[in-house]
Amino acid sequence: QVQLVESGGGVVQPGGSLRLSCAASRFTFSSYGMHWVRQTPGKGLEWVAFIRYDGSNKYYADSVKGRFTISRDNSKNTLYLQMNSLRPEDTAVYYCAKDRGGGYSHDHWGQGTLVSVSS
Amino acid sequence: QPALTQPASVSGSPGQSITVSCTGTSSDVGGYNFVSWYQQHPGKAPKLMIYDVNKRPSGISNRFSGSKSGSTASLIISGLQAEDEAEYYCSSFTSTSTYVFGSGTKVTVL
Repeated sequence: QVQLVESGGGVVQPGGSLRLSCAASRFTFSSYGMHWVRQTPGKGLEWVAFIRYDGSNKYYADSVKGRFTISRDNSKNTLYLQMNSLRPEDTAVYYCAKDRGGGYSHDHWGQGTLVSVSS
Repeated sequence: QPALTQPASVSGSPGQSITVSCTGTSSDVGGYNFVSWYQQHPGKAPKLMIYDVNKRPSGISNRFSGSKSGSTASLIISGLQAEDEAEYYCSSFTSTSTYVFGSGTKVTVL
């Protein structure tokens, strides 16, 4: 069964930086696009970013463009999200999610890691 | 990108059928057959229930089905069961190669 394990969350001050990681296993990581999706406590889901299987293309939500960078290391089966210039409204649980083969949906999700931006 | 519009709550009795709607625009739901639906129980990660408007992943009960008309997609749950009580979110691919989620619908089994 596909396994995705996020790490790197924590408490950070406004304007600070954090890097999230997502360790993938039990599937051929290098063959699939990957997403980051976040969920504000008690609120809904917000798509954050997507990276193609080979890292050749990356897409971002307007709310994070220019501040967040998605990347991957296929040799380590790991997905990353570098978050800079963090704002209180970035406080959320961040999930990594595997793109379904053929694209356009998220067929497996990690358990999430909590990021809290507060002074 | 504004969130897709879903009703805040839908309820039904065991055995009944319910429909959850998801309304977008021609730039997302109306423009592509790439609508998916996710079930989320409290404290858990979302789970894919429907993809590409009306396709079910392996292991998902055939009590769950999907459809689309214009810019509104629908999730239909037939034979409602207690374990179906959860939050449901729709999602769509968009014209800017991004994704947008719905506002979420709390399904309650009476």
